[in-house]
Amino acid sequence: ILNVEQSPQSLHVQEGDSTNFTCSFPSSNFYALHWYRWETAKSPEALFVMTLNGDEKKKGRISATLNTKEGYSYLYIKGSQPEDSATYLCASPNEKLTFGTGTRLTIIP
Amino acid sequence: DGGITQSPKYLFRKEGQNVTLSCEQNLNHDAMYWYRQDPGQGLRLIYYSQIVNDFQKGDIAEGYSVSREKKESFPLTVTSAQKNPTAFYLCASSPRGVRQTSNQPQHFGDGTRLSIL
Repeated sequence: ILNVEQSPQSLHVQEGDSTNFTCSFPSSNFYALHWYRWETAKSPEALFVMTLNGDEKKKGRISATLNTKEGYSYLYIKGSQPEDSATYLCASPNEKLTFGTGTRLTIIP
Repeated sequence: DGGITQSPKYLFRKEGQNVTLSCEQNLNHDAMYWYRQDPGQGLRLIYYSQIVNDFQKGDIAEGYSVSREKKESFPLTVTSAQKNPTAFYLCASSPRGVRQTSNQPQHFGDGTRLSIL
C-alpha cells in the first residue's frame, strides 16, 4: 500500500448500534498513525495517536487498534450517538502527514 | 485559550486576482502547514514550514505562495496562476516538524472556503 486508504467512504448507522471502519497505511518506515474526528463546521480534532504494534487506545465509547506489520488500524464506536456523526480521518506521518479520504459517519436517530 | 485562527471564513476571488488567507497560532508551535480539501479527496499538503523564514513545497504547491516571517503567522496567497482555486483550505500546526513529532497530533484551524466569482 503506497497511500493511506480508508473504508468505507460513508456509513449510516442506527443510533445505539456499534460500528467500525478501517484505515490502511504503508507498513514500511512506520512512525505513527493518527485518527482525527472532523465535525461539520468545526476544525478536525485529534482522537488518537498510535505508535506501537498491537496498541489499543480508548476514549469513551471510541477505541482504536493498530497492526503495523500488516498496515491497518480499526476505529470502533460502541453504542453510536447522534453526536458521533462526523468524518473520521486517519493519517500517517513520514516526511509529511498523509491523510486518507475519510469515512463519513451519519448516525440515524 | 491556545489555538489556530484562520480568516476569513469565506472568501471570493475574481479572475486574475491574488488573494491571501490568514493563519495565526498562539500555541508556540514551530511547524505550520496548509492543506487543501476537495470533495471526495483527502487533505492535500500545499506548503509547510518547520521554522521561521523557511518553508517547503508540499504535493500541490503550484499557484500558491507562502511566507513565514513570524512564528505565529503563516499566510497563504492563492495566485492567479492557480486555475482551480475553489476549495476548502485548512491551516495546521505542530510543535516541531512531522518527523520530529510524529507521535503528536496536528492542531487545525476552522478553515477558509474559497470560491470564484
